[in-house]
Amino acid sequence: NAGVMQNPRHLVRRRGQEARLRCSPMKGHSHVYWYRQLPEEGLKFMVYLQKENIIDESGMPKERFSAEFPKEGPSILRIQQVVRGDSAAYFCASSRGDNYGYTFGSGTRLTVV
Amino acid sequence: GESVGLHLPTLSVQEGDNSIINCAYSNSASDYFIWYKQESGKGPQFIIDIRSNMDKRQGQRVTVLLNKTVKHLSLQIAATQPGDSAVYFCAETNAGNNRKLIWGLGTSLAVNP
Repeated sequence: NAGVMQNPRHLVRRRGQEARLRCSPMKGHSHVYWYRQLPEEGLKFMVYLQKENIIDESGMPKERFSAEFPKEGPSILRIQQVVRGDSAAYFCASSRGDNYGYTFGSGTRLTVV
Repeated sequence: GESVGLHLPTLSVQEGDNSIINCAYSNSASDYFIWYKQESGKGPQFIIDIRSNMDKRQGQRVTVLLNKTVKHLSLQIAATQPGDSAVYFCAETNAGNNRKLIWGLGTSLAVNP
């Protein structure tokens, strides 16, 4: 069992470019959560998805950010027209949904220059 | 708003001593709590969890205590080892918030040899 896979591990983008972050949940997990972490801070919830559905996006900025979890393939967190304030570590967690167990990926560290 | 916070931002202990990391939460509806360990450049690693119908849970070298009366959570690490050096986060959730985790700021634990 490969665990939660996130890629890329590190991503550098210039201001105004698009960033795409990928998350493949653990086998058998159909629930995906995205979190953002700024340096020396705790994680902040962004969005909760199940296959083909956004369940809770209350933590997502209203503009430039979007997420999807298609029937096939990984979950994608997309940030359009990145700004320096988007620089952070983005973590994905998955669960089966039948209990409270979560498994986290190693994160994608986005740097906007 | 609802929040989870930590009393101590940093903790330094001698190898072999016991460590206690504290956490306060404010959402009385929270029914599930998790302690995570995060090493530099890595994702959160599950340590131990506890449900609100319990006040104590033990794992290997770790114990979590929950005091619902004062909304307080603690993590005890016995015989602290250099490998325990990391940032520790408490997180809380409940069935009413789509099981998203609300995180504290973190406590940095430094183990001196």
